[in-house]
Parts: sequence; C-alpha cells; structure tokens
Amino acid sequence: SSEVTQDPVVSVALGQTVRITCQGDSLRSYYASWYQQKPGQAPRLVIYGKDNRPSGIPDRFSGSSSGNTASLTITGAQAEDEADYYCNSRDSSGNHYVFGTGTKVTVL
Amino acid sequence: QVTLKESGPALVRPTQTLTLTCTFSGFSLSTSTMRVSWIRQPPGKALEWLARIDWDDDKFYSTSLKTRLTISKDTSKNQVVLTMTNMDPVDTATYYCARMPGYCGSISCYEWFDPWGQGTLVTVSS
Repeated sequence: SSEVTQDPVVSVALGQTVRITCQGDSLRSYYASWYQQKPGQAPRLVIYGKDNRPSGIPDRFSGSSSGNTASLTITGAQAEDEADYYCNSRDSSGNHYVFGTGTKVTVL
Repeated sequence: QVTLKESGPALVRPTQTLTLTCTFSGFSLSTSTMRVSWIRQPPGKALEWLARIDWDDDKFYSTSLKTRLTISKDTSKNQVVLTMTNMDPVDTATYYCARMPGYCGSISCYEWFDPWGQGTLVTVSS
C-alpha cells in the first residue's frame, strides 16, 4: 500500500511533550520529512532525513523512525506550535511521493 | 535566499486545461541534484504530491493523475510549468510549488520540500 496514515487530532498541554506518528509500508525503506502548516499559510519544513532541522526551526522539534512508523516529537510544546502537521516520504515504488493524512495539534 | 512563487488563473472552467507557472530565485535548476515539485491541497483537505522535474529533465508524475499532467522547465527563465488537462470541480485546490533538495546515503536516497511557494488557489467552476 502507498498510503500513509496519521492520527487526525492530538492535544497537548502547554509545555508538555507530544508525539505525532505517521504509519505506512514505505516508511520501512525511506525517511520521512515533516511539515507544519498554520491556517492560511504554506507548509513549512520542520524535520527531514534521520533527524535534521532546517535553520530557524527550534530544537524542541525532533524526528525518529522505527519499522513502518515515523514520529515527530515536540518537547515543551508552545502555543505557536498549534498547527496541522504532515509527514511525507517516497512511496513504495520509490519514484513518487506520498503525504500523510495530517494531524491537527491543539495546545491547551 | 531561495523563493518560489506560483502564478496562473484563479478560475478555470470544467474540461479546460490549467497552466501554472512557478517562478523561482536563489537556485538554478541546471545545478546537479536540484528538483522542483508541484503539490496541491483541496480546501480543508490534505496535501497531494503531483509531479517533479529534475535538473537533468527527468520527470515523475502522480500515478493517479499522470495521464493529465505535464511538467516542464525553462532554465533560462528560472521557471517550472505544470499543465493539467480536463479540469473538474474536484481539482479545486491551492497549488504549491516547492524546491526539493535531496541526499543519498549508503543505503538510500531521500528528498524534502523546502521552501514552498505561497500557493495559488484555483477554482474549477462553470
């Protein structure tokens, strides 16, 4: 299957830790990248490769992977982290790309 | 500084062909390992990858849309063009272009989308 699934909604208390997961067969073979999207804005890269953060992304964002699951962890969530998060990787064919279904993170 | 900007019609009639242009700066598509992709997002829905073009003119298309899509580049103008034929109301979406850096390790290669353009909303309606 080329599908990649995410939990639709995740809530986290301010300052606490939240993990967002992404599941799919292709994740056994390919690293995921993660994107943050706030309302009315274009997506922004937050994690790529094994656990790399682009310049300007706070170090409270980290990535990991195990088996068919990739994870994005926000350690010490801030109010500004409230957004939709999407994972992406190559699909099982290796020649195309698939986005996850998206997770809405609410910071309480 | 790398920037990308999408342009094209805001309204398209059903069955018409959509042509979108991505104009970028801060990098060259003639540089080895450079790539640009198109991605779309229907209102309130998830992102969907559409197509990719590489520095060496290799092209890749979404399996479900490949019969309707054509991607091309004009290196001298720093532009990537996407055409989508036979537009339907379900194609109403914000269309984004994004640069795709990549890395190849000893086992596999991977790419990511960074940065993205601001997006352009295309509505398909009669």
